[in-house]
Amino acid sequence: GAVVSQHPSRVICKSGTSVKIECRSLDFQATTMFWYRQFPKQSLMLMATSNEGSKATYEQGVEKDKFLINHASLTLSTLTVTSAHPEDSSFYICSAAGGFGDSGNTIYFGEGSWLTVV
Amino acid sequence: DAKTTQPNSMESNEEEPVHLPCNHSTISGTDYIHWYRQLPSQGPEYVIHGLTSNVNNRMASLAIAEDRKSSTLILHRATLRDAAVYYCILIGSNTGKLIFGQGTTLQVKP
Repeated sequence: GAVVSQHPSRVICKSGTSVKIECRSLDFQATTMFWYRQFPKQSLMLMATSNEGSKATYEQGVEKDKFLINHASLTLSTLTVTSAHPEDSSFYICSAAGGFGDSGNTIYFGEGSWLTVV
Repeated sequence: DAKTTQPNSMESNEEEPVHLPCNHSTISGTDYIHWYRQLPSQGPEYVIHGLTSNVNNRMASLAIAEDRKSSTLILHRATLRDAAVYYCILIGSNTGKLIFGQGTTLQVKP
């Protein structure tokens, strides 16, 4: 089946630095990918929609200058957390749709990336 | 997007069936009913989806009410590995955007 892979799975960075998380669709092309963040014992919160070849669409309250999203190819989207602070520490998850149409779109999720800012 | 309502938590004994309910009274005619589950420290995993008819796959069954205002995810024989948070989500056609509610935390007791 379709697989979405994230890298790195865990990252620790110093406060004030930037960190990049990659999301790849391994066996299908994804014109649209999605980025979520999840705090402990909470549900996933949609951050933004990543569109191949165009600007990302951010959800209300998400700072686009802090969470930079680039979707340069049909199989890769990246999320860069700029000037990270301890409150940015979270579990970041990406997803991609495997296809649309009558069968209903099945969404595939990456394994998630734990970010710890110290 | 139409919202769903699920119980916060449920318990089950190992190897017994589990019925996880979901209410979606404002569902539109083009909304698919999707179920995903999330194990600790992992990304969500697709379980099953349907539109109007009941669906079966190797993981579970999905029973959809005739008026589509509710559905039930059925795990036929719960195992300890089924302990997870189960999310019922409505998805319109031609979009992969998922809005997650709180889901149901399923505990499976040996």
